[in-house]
This record gives sequence, structure tokens and C-alpha cells, in this order.
Amino acid sequence: AQSVTQLGSHVSVSEGALVLLRCNYSSSVPPYLFWYVQYPNQGLQLLLKYTSAATLVKGINGFEAEFKKSETSFHLTKPSAHMSDAAEYFCAVTPANAGGTSYGKLTFGQGTILTVHP
Amino acid sequence: EAGVTQSPTHLIKTRGQQATLRCSPISGHTSVYWYQQALGLGLQFLLWYDEGEERNRGNFPPRFSGRQFPNYSSELNVNALELEDSALYLCASSLAVSSGGSTDTQYFGPGTRLTVL
Repeated sequence: AQSVTQLGSHVSVSEGALVLLRCNYSSSVPPYLFWYVQYPNQGLQLLLKYTSAATLVKGINGFEAEFKKSETSFHLTKPSAHMSDAAEYFCAVTPANAGGTSYGKLTFGQGTILTVHP
Repeated sequence: EAGVTQSPTHLIKTRGQQATLRCSPISGHTSVYWYQQALGLGLQFLLWYDEGEERNRGNFPPRFSGRQFPNYSSELNVNALELEDSALYLCASSLAVSSGGSTDTQYFGPGTRLTVL
């Protein structure tokens, strides 16, 4: 079984401030981890992914995330927030190996709405 | 390169009717996934098709069904619509399952907004 917990359904930052969105996962098998962003009335856009290579992953738009196995975390960060970063962010997990009821399935966290103030 | 496309953008039905949603994957992708994003329930996995076969299914009743065509496009059918089926339905596609069995990154379409009155 796999699950994802995103701490904080709403995060508010000032433009230029650090963005930190938290994600903790639970998985009985080695996972792949993803961050997606959703702008209003749109689908999901992939920000970055961890697939068991480097633990520090760089994505689009200046975002990065670090896989910490000991903490079962995959937090998303950006050094300096921009107004265009305002959106909802989803952390997701899928098994790295075949088989099981979660095979092929992305399990999402409940999402974090990021607000950026001028 | 064209992304995942879905049609229609919006669909309005009444309770008890059937809805058909369509998805075209990214060129070269053979796997198609369906997710439901309902208010208050988050993103829930519905179905996964790969090479025309249903490979996995989420915890949804049998009135949610689908298929994948030889050109890898897919259709989601929802029969006997209920008010709680109102949601954004997202389709995603990925490259084929690897020889080791791992699935590839899923890329999402813009979604179909289904409203059941």
C-alpha cells in the first residue's frame, strides 16, 4: 500500500521568499515520486520526478526536491517565489516495481494551494 | 509535440444518463490512465490501459468502464450517472511499461469537466 501526506493545505509566501511545500510518503516497495502543479481549470503539469537516481532533483521553473529515505520525505523548494507560482501543488507516489494493487497507479496527496503576495 | 488531448472540455448530463469521455495520448505513448478529481475527494485513480488491455482499476463501481483502441486512444464510459459523479476527469499517458516492469512518467491532459444535474 502507498500513501502521501502533504503538510499544509494552504501556504502563503511573499514574492521573492523561499517556497517550501512538504510531502511525506508511505510505500511498502521502493517508490517513484513526483510533484505536479495545477493552475485553475487546467490539468496537471509535471514539475519534477525522482526515479532512484540522484536524490536531489531539479525541475522546471526553478523548483527542486530532495528525496530523503530516512525521513520518507520529498519536500519541494524554490529559493525565490514569483507571482506566477501561485497554483495548487500535488505530490504523488507510484511503485518502482511491477505488481501489487498500486501498480501503475499514481497516489496523490491532498494538494497544497500556494499563494504568493506582492 | 502535441500533448494529451481530451474531449469534450465540458459535458453536462442528467442523473441516470451515460457519459462518454475521450482521450488521445502523446504520440508514441501506449499507456493511458484515467483519474477523477472531485471536490473534496482529491485525485483518485480510475483505470489504466496498456496495449489495449486493462492493467489496473481503482475502487470505483462497475458502471465506470473504458477501453483502449488500436491507435492507443481511450474512452471512459460512465453509466447510470449519479450527482456525485460530477468532477474533473483527467487522462494521462506514458511510454510503454519497461522490460523490468516499471511504468513511466505520466503526462496529463487538460481534463473533461462532467456536471451531473
